[in-house]
Amino acid sequence: DGGITQSPKYLFRKEGQNVTLSCEQNLNHDAMYWYRQDPGQGLRLIYYSQIVNDFQKGDIAEGYSVSREKKESFPLTVTSAQKNPTAFYLCASSPMMTGRYNQPQHFGDGTRLSIL
Amino acid sequence: QKEVEQNSGPLSVPEGAIASLNCTYSDRGSQSFFWYRQYSGKSPELIMFIYSNGDKEDGRFTAQLNKASQYVSLLIRDSQPSDSATYLCAVNGRDSWGKLQFGAGTQVVVTP
Repeated sequence: DGGITQSPKYLFRKEGQNVTLSCEQNLNHDAMYWYRQDPGQGLRLIYYSQIVNDFQKGDIAEGYSVSREKKESFPLTVTSAQKNPTAFYLCASSPMMTGRYNQPQHFGDGTRLSIL
Repeated sequence: QKEVEQNSGPLSVPEGAIASLNCTYSDRGSQSFFWYRQYSGKSPELIMFIYSNGDKEDGRFTAQLNKASQYVSLLIRDSQPSDSATYLCAVNGRDSWGKLQFGAGTQVVVTP
């Protein structure tokens, strides 16, 4: 079954702690994305990656870091510098653009992060 | 001005009626438009995408795009209680390879 797997489903962070959210896809998609969703709000882009070993900051990258060592994997680290990390984190992936058109992004089930 | 704007709702629709959702966007160069459905506590799932002006139908869903007026809409025909969800509009920007801007979503409530 092709899809995007995020783990864990729920995560609790202590003060001063870094935590890492996992995202794995077996759709053979080139691009991967991390979004944050706060209650009643839309999705805000944290980081995105178009190819292995390359990634770009999104709109709210401060306090977060990523890596893209494998095509299938795009883990997100929420560092202690992110002072308000409580949110729903969503990982997505998509094929490369076709000409001037974006391909649809598909989402994992998400990780809920809370502060202890 | 937000890049992608949607009426937050809730939009209350009787079962069997047509739900009409609107989305306006600010970047005149946008080329790709997506509608996602998000149930409470779940992740978004793709419903439809549209690239060209006009209508695109898929089952009970129709997306309508008007680039001159910079809006995209979603019609849900024969609305069912299972259609009760938040619907997110997403649009790419001209200089935003692969990136999408999401609206805050419209909550739809289908009443039996």
